[in-house]
Amino acid sequence: GDSVTQMEGPVTLSEEAFLTINCTYTATGYPSLFWYVQYPGEGLQLLLKATKADDKGSNKGFEATYRKETTSFHLEKGSVQVSDSAVYFCALSDPGTGRRALTFGSGTRLQVQP
Amino acid sequence: NAGVMQNPRHLVRRRGQEARLRCSPMKGHSHVYWYRQLPEEGLKFMVYLQKENIIDESGMPKERFSAEFPKEGPSILRIQQVVRGDSAAYFCASSPGDGDSNQPQHFGDGTRLSIL
Repeated sequence: GDSVTQMEGPVTLSEEAFLTINCTYTATGYPSLFWYVQYPGEGLQLLLKATKADDKGSNKGFEATYRKETTSFHLEKGSVQVSDSAVYFCALSDPGTGRRALTFGSGTRLQVQP
Repeated sequence: NAGVMQNPRHLVRRRGQEARLRCSPMKGHSHVYWYRQLPEEGLKFMVYLQKENIIDESGMPKERFSAEFPKEGPSILRIQQVVRGDSAAYFCASSPGDGDSNQPQHFGDGTRLSIL
């Protein structure tokens, strides 16, 4: 079945550092890929998405590129802020299976220090 | 607030009681999904519903759990005879009903269920 693997956290960075959170996936079909962010005590917010190979999703300075050859969708940001501290989830949906359920990774907690 | 609305935000139940969690989708959305998040883990899919229909319940436990999305009113996730292992955050998401299955799902703030 489909699965998503993320790097384990927590990831602790200083403000203005470069961020990479790795995400790889396995899927039966041709999935769509998502990054969601969860702030403490809140639900998940869609951060960015990509629906086909070589697409780059971007939002709020975050970027991720859909790499079919490496089955990856790594999240990057050039300069993190304290307000970026949250848990980040990589997820996929696999329309080829006929299912709309999202499959999530286990999440990566990011802590940004001033 | 036009977002996905869940209530209650926090729910405490004793073992053996029933828990009812409610979800109103975003305006214009007719697809509802329920996910469960155990502490320090990712979200696990439970069930996908459209109005008056369960489309995919492959993630639902076989016993004690049920879900509905009636023609009128919110979607309800019902847990009967709760046990300590049911303690988790339960998230509802919604998406538009038409066309593209790649439409992103929009999440509510969740219901945090605690079993004493």
